[in-house]
Parts: sequence; structure tokens; C-alpha cells
Amino acid sequence: KNQVEQSPQSLIILEGKNCTLQCNYTVSPFSNLRWYKQDTGRGPVSLTIMTFSENTKSNGRYTATLDADTKQSSLHITASQLSDSASYICVVTLYNTDKLIFGTGTRLQVFP
Amino acid sequence: DSGVTQTPKHLITATGQRVTLRCSPRSGDLSVYWYQQSLDQGLQFLIQYYNGEERAKGNILERFSAQQFPDLHSELNLSSLELGDSALYFCASRGDLYSGNTIYFGEGSWLTVV
Repeated sequence: KNQVEQSPQSLIILEGKNCTLQCNYTVSPFSNLRWYKQDTGRGPVSLTIMTFSENTKSNGRYTATLDADTKQSSLHITASQLSDSASYICVVTLYNTDKLIFGTGTRLQVFP
Repeated sequence: DSGVTQTPKHLITATGQRVTLRCSPRSGDLSVYWYQQSLDQGLQFLIQYYNGEERAKGNILERFSAQQFPDLHSELNLSSLELGDSALYFCASRGDLYSGNTIYFGEGSWLTVV
């Protein structure tokens, strides 16, 4: 079954610290993997898109990595800010389709 | 601003009623998706349209229906509403079916059924 699992479910860190969010998937084969940021009550906003052949992609303080062999991705946030408090969602596209499979997200809270 | 417009932003209605949620995709985007997000839950895929045709169906109840019009805007119709239908409904769009395209989400329509 094609699934996307994220860990941890929730995370609390102090402002200025780094953190890493995990995404494990069983979607096979897949075309690409996306990370989205969703503020509470708002629409998700795209952070990164990586194809199966890419290992890393950065967007400012956000860096996503992908290991297609182990079917794992991570999102690293550097020097966290209060505005990073949000849910982060991993989304995998089934190969040769436009079917998106969503993870349930990691809820990050950054405290001063 | 993602360029995807959803109306209304908030809606309160009674059980048994019917509502219509509207989505205007980004200019030129042919593909429209609808998602439901209940409180503290993940996004649940409902249905997708591409250039006016239904392309994929997810966990959409028979009480719900959708369509995409020639001008590419889409409507999600929810009928015989139940308390459990209270959720945030998102519309998303992208240019074509190329899987690498960014998918842009609207700000959602908050539906409260009382």
C-alpha cells in the first residue's frame, strides 16, 4: 500500500535551534517528493520539490534531502524562527501519474 | 498569495442543509483538486478535475459532488450536511499534469455545521 509516514508527530524547539523532520514512504515507484508548510488555518505552501534523482534541495533556511534507496526524506530547518511554527507535510507523487499521497504532517512549535 | 481564490472563507450552516464552495484556480491552471481537512487531521483528497473533466476521485462522499466549468473555476457541492462535515476545505491548482509542477493551494473555506 502506498503510504507516507512522518515523524515526529509534534516537536517543540527553542528559537535559534536547528531541527530535522522525517518522512518515510512506501510509494513505489514515485516521481517526486514535496515538502509543504502549513500555518494553522491557512493553505499549505510549497517549500521544495525533489525528483527521484535529486538528493538535496534548499529553500532559504529549509533543506530537504532524499534517499530514494531507503525511501526516506528529511527536512532540516536551520536557525529556527518563531514564524517556523507550523505543520510540515511530506507529499509523494506516484510515478507516471499525478496522484499525490500526503503524510499526516509534523507539527512544529518554536518558542522564544 | 498563491493565486488560488476560494469563497466563502467562512460558512456556518445547519445540519441537513446544502452549501456550495467555489474555487478559482491560478490563471491558466487546468487542474483543480479538492481536499478536506478536519481539525488536527491531515489533508484528505476528495476529487480532481482537469480541463473540465473529472480525473480522479478520492474519499468523496456520495452527498458531495463537484464540477469544473469551461472558465476553469470549480465548485464543490455539499448536501445533507452532518456535524462531521465541519472542516476546512481546500482547493489547489496546477498548470498541467506534469508531475513536477508546483501545486498551489488556496486559503480554504471553513465550514461549520451546527
